[in-house]
Amino acid sequence: QVQLQESGPGLVKPSETLSLTCTVSGGSISTYYWTWIRQVPGKGLEWIGFIYYSGTTNYNPSLKSRVTMSVDTSKNQFSLNLTSVTAADTAMYYCARRVNIALHETLDYWGQGILVTVSS
Amino acid sequence: IQMTQSPSSLSASVGDRVTITCRASLAIRSDLGWYQQKSGKAPILLIYGASILQSGVPSRFSGSGSGTNFTLTINSLQPEDFATYYCLQDYNYPRTFGPGTKVEVK
Repeated sequence: QVQLQESGPGLVKPSETLSLTCTVSGGSISTYYWTWIRQVPGKGLEWIGFIYYSGTTNYNPSLKSRVTMSVDTSKNQFSLNLTSVTAADTAMYYCARRVNIALHETLDYWGQGILVTVSS
Repeated sequence: IQMTQSPSSLSASVGDRVTITCRASLAIRSDLGWYQQKSGKAPILLIYGASILQSGVPSRFSGSGSGTNFTLTINSLQPEDFATYYCLQDYNYPRTFGPGTKVEVK
């Protein structure tokens, strides 16, 4: 059974960098796309972007100037960095596995999420 | 692509048939998924390709539509189905979610 677990600081100061890691267990990180999604408390879901195991990325243009994703296949982990954070970046951050089935995209496994609060 | 959902919330009883609509601002073929999110939990995949039931999802869930109009139907609503439902387009980037439909107890 594939499991994803987000980790990182739950509190980040304004203007600093939010750094999260998603550890994949029960399966290999290779051959899949890995996605970050966030959810402001009480609000909807926002797609941040994905990273392929080879390192190819695609970011949401609304965050592109501040987002960097990376992957470490040796550790079965991928990461999210979001720079210059503000209170608007306070959210639950989820990592998820993207799988293409019959040419359709699915997010079939999700982490439990990690709440990151931006506050001084 | 902008995704809209209606209604934003609805009240229903166990055993009811519930229909949620998702509309895309431009045609997205059948590149749409439906996700269920319960309070405090991560979303789970219900349907992909607009109408294909994810393995393990009860058959009371069904999806239909293509182009710009999509529906999620829950036949005979069960107590565990009270949750928020989101559509997600995977036609182009950035991927975008609908704003969600909360299904509440009547």
